[in-house]
Amino acid sequence: VIWMTQSPSLLSASTGDRVTISCRMSQGISSYLAWYQQKPGKAPELLIYAASTLQSGVPSRFSGSGSGTDFTLTISCLQSEDFATYYCQQYYSFPWTFGQGTKVEIK
Amino acid sequence: QITLKESGPTLVKPTQTLTLTCTFSGFSLSTSGVGVGWIRQPPGKALEWLALIYWDDDKRYSPSLKSRLTITKDTSKNQVVLTMTNMDPVDTATYYCAHTGYYYDSSGYRYYMDVWGKGTTVTVSS
Repeated sequence: VIWMTQSPSLLSASTGDRVTISCRMSQGISSYLAWYQQKPGKAPELLIYAASTLQSGVPSRFSGSGSGTDFTLTISCLQSEDFATYYCQQYYSFPWTFGQGTKVEIK
Repeated sequence: QITLKESGPTLVKPTQTLTLTCTFSGFSLSTSGVGVGWIRQPPGKALEWLALIYWDDDKRYSPSLKSRLTITKDTSKNQVVLTMTNMDPVDTATYYCAHTGYYYDSSGYRYYMDVWGKGTTVTVSS
């Protein structure tokens, strides 16, 4: 099983801020990582796959980077609709696993 | 447009078997490369991947739940069914199904979950 450490678990930020969320793997996964956004009471939505490929329709302020064991999700200019919880997920090997989530809240 | 919808009981008793159905549109599970997975999320907790079935009937399960899970597909009905036996209160969660997209790289085809259903909430209580 590939374990994932996502940090921070809680991030307080203001509209317009640049925010960064980290995801570290217990072993290398090449670039087989996805990022999801989840708002309260809603299903997760795919933001990024293959570590850095933006899903169609996702704003360009979202970007992903990394390979191997260390990955980052960056929101370049936080908007009000971006306050949500973010999850990383590896699909390198089964069982697929998720990070514990990062809640981005209003500062 | 791909859509998925989960359905099933909202309340089950401990030791009972849960049967959830994912009804989808916009794709066919008889098409090469297509898959549907199940994921759950206990209240206030993180997401947990449960199972996946591919167009060719290849199936993958979470090792921690494998003995309790069965995933099947009915291509003619555009449905995927997940059964979970011996339900316990800790299985209380929102259950999601998701379509898998794919791409090809030097290692072969890679699948990821791109479109999710809205989820269905299941409570396990006597």
